Amino acid sequence: AQKVTQAQTEISVVEKEDVTLDCVYETRDTTYYLFWYKQPPSGELVFLIRRNSFDEQNEISGRYSWNFQKSTSSFNFTITASQVVDSAVYFCALSEAVTGFQKLVFGTGTRLLVSP
Amino acid sequence: DTGVSQDPRHKITKRGQNVTFRCDPISEHNRLYWYRQTLGQGPEFLTYFQNEAQLEKSRLLSDRFSAERPKGSFSTLEIQRTEQGDSAMYLCASELRGVKETQYFGPGTRLLVL
Repeated sequence: AQKVTQAQTEISVVEKEDVTLDCVYETRDTTYYLFWYKQPPSGELVFLIRRNSFDEQNEISGRYSWNFQKSTSSFNFTITASQVVDSAVYFCALSEAVTGFQKLVFGTGTRLLVSP
Repeated sequence: DTGVSQDPRHKITKRGQNVTFRCDPISEHNRLYWYRQTLGQGPEFLTYFQNEAQLEKSRLLSDRFSAERPKGSFSTLEIQRTEQGDSAMYLCASELRGVKETQYFGPGTRLLVL
């Protein structure tokens, strides 16, 4: 069965600090997709990134970067120079590719609190 | 390009009542998903539509739950004889089948059963 573990329940940082959110996943599939979503207090899940299992290149988008390591089944997310607006719950998710559609399995989320 | 919308945003009901939620996906998105999220947890998959066909249902979806997507456009999720355990956020997501498939979520409907 698929599983996503986000061991960090809550992280508090001060503005401008860098912060890394950990994500470890389990799957028997060789083809799968990994996602990160942000859930601000308003409740809507905001898509951040999608990565397939064959693409292990790290990705950077502005202050956000992602480190995908198949060898350790991890897909970690780093925010550089954090800002108060980054405060939210962040979810890592995994989907199979074999079923013909994407049934996302989410972790329990990491709450990030950025103080001014 | 409007996003996914859901209505109502909040619903308070008494145990035993029926409730219905609506989801309007991003136009032309042929896939639609429903998830349920309880406090402190990540969303859990409930059901999936490809156009108007409901192709997958989770075991979480008891027979008190029914979902429809007439004409492959908006979708409704109905809960009959609500129970306190149904209190949760119900999230809808839509996706365009093809390359780089990604689910885009609506704001959710927060249900409280008293």
